[in-house]
Amino acid sequence: DTEVTQTPKHLVMGMTNKKSLKCEQHMGHRAMYWYKQKAKKPPELMFVYSYEKLSINESVPSRFSPECPNSSLLNLHLHALQPEDSALYLCASSQPGWRELFFGEGSRLTVL
Amino acid sequence: DQQVKQNSPSLSVQEGRISILNCDYTNSMFDYFLWYKKYPAEGPTFLISISSIKDKNEDGRFTVFLNKSAKHLSLHIVPSQPGDSAVYFCAASEAGAGSYQLTFGKGTKLSVIP
Repeated sequence: DTEVTQTPKHLVMGMTNKKSLKCEQHMGHRAMYWYKQKAKKPPELMFVYSYEKLSINESVPSRFSPECPNSSLLNLHLHALQPEDSALYLCASSQPGWRELFFGEGSRLTVL
Repeated sequence: DQQVKQNSPSLSVQEGRISILNCDYTNSMFDYFLWYKKYPAEGPTFLISISSIKDKNEDGRFTVFLNKSAKHLSLHIVPSQPGDSAVYFCAASEAGAGSYQLTFGKGTKLSVIP
């Protein structure tokens, strides 16, 4: 069983919809990440939160809006997405400074 | 420019034999390397890691070898089992960057044939 839980597992949305992806971890980690993975490509870093503060934004378009309500939760708010944003969105956590990230199972997003 | 390269997109191995997955890197600042395993429709699972101060790290059936002069690392799985069939990602981290800057390779799909 993964200790990083992502919901929903699958999401289909139109380009005008507003939706959110959610991530929860109970390992006491204080760093949380959003990665995006397209088919046959490696995961690409989007955002990093450290101690509930956004520390890295890898030049992600504003239609993706991250939120870290507390040390266990991480959200990714989606609005006005494009079909090319369809991908597997992975949440991960670690202790700040640790090299090993622990990933959730991902949320498969399809934008129509 | 790919800083972490896995040049073999796929590999097939008989059950019980050794699987060797290779990874090359170009950034001399990388000082920590990790291997992740990924099943379809699941997130990557951390498998094993190695610091640049070592040349070998072993965990059960999995051994990672690091050749710094060649900027090359490899993952050995002995003996290979059908449950090892998955995509394996090599990842690297720069000194002082913590866990923020994991750079992944494109992955190698391992198929272990019963």
